[in-house]
Amino acid sequence: EPEVTQTPSHQVTQMGQEVILRCVPISNHLYFYWYRQILGQKVEFLVSFYNNEISEKSEIFDDQFSVERPDGSNFTLKIRSTKLEDSAMYFCASLDGTDNEQFFGPGTRLTVL
Amino acid sequence: AQSVTQPDIHITVSEGASLELRCNYSYGATPYLFWYVQSPGQGLQLLLKYFSGDTLVQGIKGFEAEFKRSQSSFNLRKPSVHWSDAAEYFCAVVGGGTYKYIFGTGTRLKVLA
Repeated sequence: EPEVTQTPSHQVTQMGQEVILRCVPISNHLYFYWYRQILGQKVEFLVSFYNNEISEKSEIFDDQFSVERPDGSNFTLKIRSTKLEDSAMYFCASLDGTDNEQFFGPGTRLTVL
Repeated sequence: AQSVTQPDIHITVSEGASLELRCNYSYGATPYLFWYVQSPGQGLQLLLKYFSGDTLVQGIKGFEAEFKRSQSSFNLRKPSVHWSDAAEYFCAVVGGGTYKYIFGTGTRLKVLA
């Protein structure tokens, strides 16, 4: 069964450093998402991406964040200058557009020191 | 704006007892609703979903949920809880044209032996 994959599973970085979180969505899906879950809190929407552009972003998704689909398979989330409060689990998801079920990846745990 | 409320932050039940986790949503049109389970440090596992049709939905691991439009609710139930059901449970609704998910704050389930 096709699945969404994310790498790395755990990333540790120093405050101020840039990080890139990688996702490989399911191959025939058209909509892509990033969500964030701070430890002990709910899952929050960050951004949605369709037709090679951002279709919606939350207020969390400020200028420090960017997304890209550099080729036909990867979908990346970049944080330019990480802050302590960026420490969280980041989930990627994809949707084929025929119904409303998103398929979630296993997550990347980002720790900012 | 769409929203999801899970009124119970923590619930404790004895193994073998029945379980009901509450979820209320706010959405103008017909909602698309989901329940996910998350074990500590793990990803999101889909338990069940409601898109349309029969308002009683069966899911994995013996869970079911009932959609009640008049009460704006989508409560999750299980007739007999197992110790392995201890986890965090999130209700979610699809919000808006970009199909993003809006999650509730979660209910942490503890199961007593």
